[in-house]
Amino acid sequence: QQPVQSPQAVILREGEDAVINCSSSKALYSVHWYRQKHGEAPVFLMILLKGGEQKGHEKISASFNEKKQQSSLYLTASQLSYSGTYFCGTDDSGGSNYKLTFGKGTLLTVNP
Amino acid sequence: GAVVSQHPSWVICKSGTSVKIECRSLDFQATTMFWYRQFPKQSLMLMATSNEGSKATYEQGVEKDKFLINHASLTLSTLTVTSAHPEDSSFYICSARRTQGGELFFGEGSRLTVL
Repeated sequence: QQPVQSPQAVILREGEDAVINCSSSKALYSVHWYRQKHGEAPVFLMILLKGGEQKGHEKISASFNEKKQQSSLYLTASQLSYSGTYFCGTDDSGGSNYKLTFGKGTLLTVNP
Repeated sequence: GAVVSQHPSWVICKSGTSVKIECRSLDFQATTMFWYRQFPKQSLMLMATSNEGSKATYEQGVEKDKFLINHASLTLSTLTVTSAHPEDSSFYICSARRTQGGELFFGEGSRLTVL
């Protein structure tokens, strides 16, 4: 099942913050976050496995709620290099049936 | 992070020919690799799961005779687009899952243009 990402797009000025959400109707085994720049492959940011988990550093971090159906990516004091499309990938089957299904993406534009 | 290498990055071919794309995990063994396809400004669509030493598992709607997948070793998977047509033009991306940790890393992608 494809996760739902929001917002679809966001425009920031350098230094501003953003939150990108990813939600599923089913409990998830894991959530992965990626950033993709135009014409390039996605770059891995982080993986969340446990309900209630928060990880990352002060600039880019993510959370996974207790029910494991919703994750958020937090971008703090954004830099120009943060521009790109952010995808969450979710695994709702786990084990030997592992596979990631990606959301439609959130286009983030950071302007000077 | 882990390195997954994909080759070639760009390929242009004539309609009716076959194209092979290689995906290698350079610093870890990957029993499972995945092949995705991406259209411009769209999300990544999973095509198939490639399992080392066994047949690939294809997603619904993906023609297995059209997109041949071979996972000959723990570090190499190949995707062959057979009898390519212009509608097969796309960005194809492989990924490999690190068993310890569960992270999924992507190759650089291969942009296929069929004339």
